[in-house]
Amino acid sequence: KAGVTQTPRYLIKTRGQQVTLSCSPISGHRSVSWYQQTPGQGLQFLFEYFSETQRNKGNFPGRFSGRQFSNSRSEMNVSTLELGDSALYLCASSTSGMTYNEQFFGPGTRLTVL
Amino acid sequence: GENVEQHPSTLSVQEGDSAVIKCTYSDSASNYFPWYKQELGKRPQLIIDIRSNVGEKKDQRIAVTLNKTAKHFSLHITETQPEDSAVYFCAASLDSNYQLIWGAGTKLIIKP
Repeated sequence: KAGVTQTPRYLIKTRGQQVTLSCSPISGHRSVSWYQQTPGQGLQFLFEYFSETQRNKGNFPGRFSGRQFSNSRSEMNVSTLELGDSALYLCASSTSGMTYNEQFFGPGTRLTVL
Repeated sequence: GENVEQHPSTLSVQEGDSAVIKCTYSDSASNYFPWYKQELGKRPQLIIDIRSNVGEKKDQRIAVTLNKTAKHFSLHITETQPEDSAVYFCAASLDSNYQLIWGAGTKLIIKP
């Protein structure tokens, strides 16, 4: 089975712009979670989608949004980019999204905001 | 809500020695505790997990112990090798939940 893929792998944007990141889960996985990873901060949970429904959301401002399509692919969008949004954005897929299911991570999208 | 603290943030051990990373959690209802390993430039991967009805679980050189009373769980790596160098993340959750609560990570350095 192909692993989780994310596109693009690298992005450079300027403050005030918006960005859309894409995540394709492992075939058959219906849950996709998104994380922001910064040095020293670990993995900060953004949101989780299952069957096109957002089931859980972390403590991020409304500038961060996401969606999931019927084929389980997911996108996250960040509007009005700030310097502090520079980070590695990881998505992870699992079969049901229950925490006891192993999460399979993608390679991440490295976002740099100038 | 749940909060997970992980210590130490950096751990340096001699190759062949043991390494122990400890996490504490706040919600006594949490019953699922996984550990993920992230090598430099790579994605996190699950290495071991434990549920609250078990006190210890082993997989070759890796073991996890859980103390429900004290609300802490630990990762033990014996006979450390260079390939153990990585950042290790603990997490905690209700296994019926959809969100893991993560620790901040421990950078493990194996000295030759």
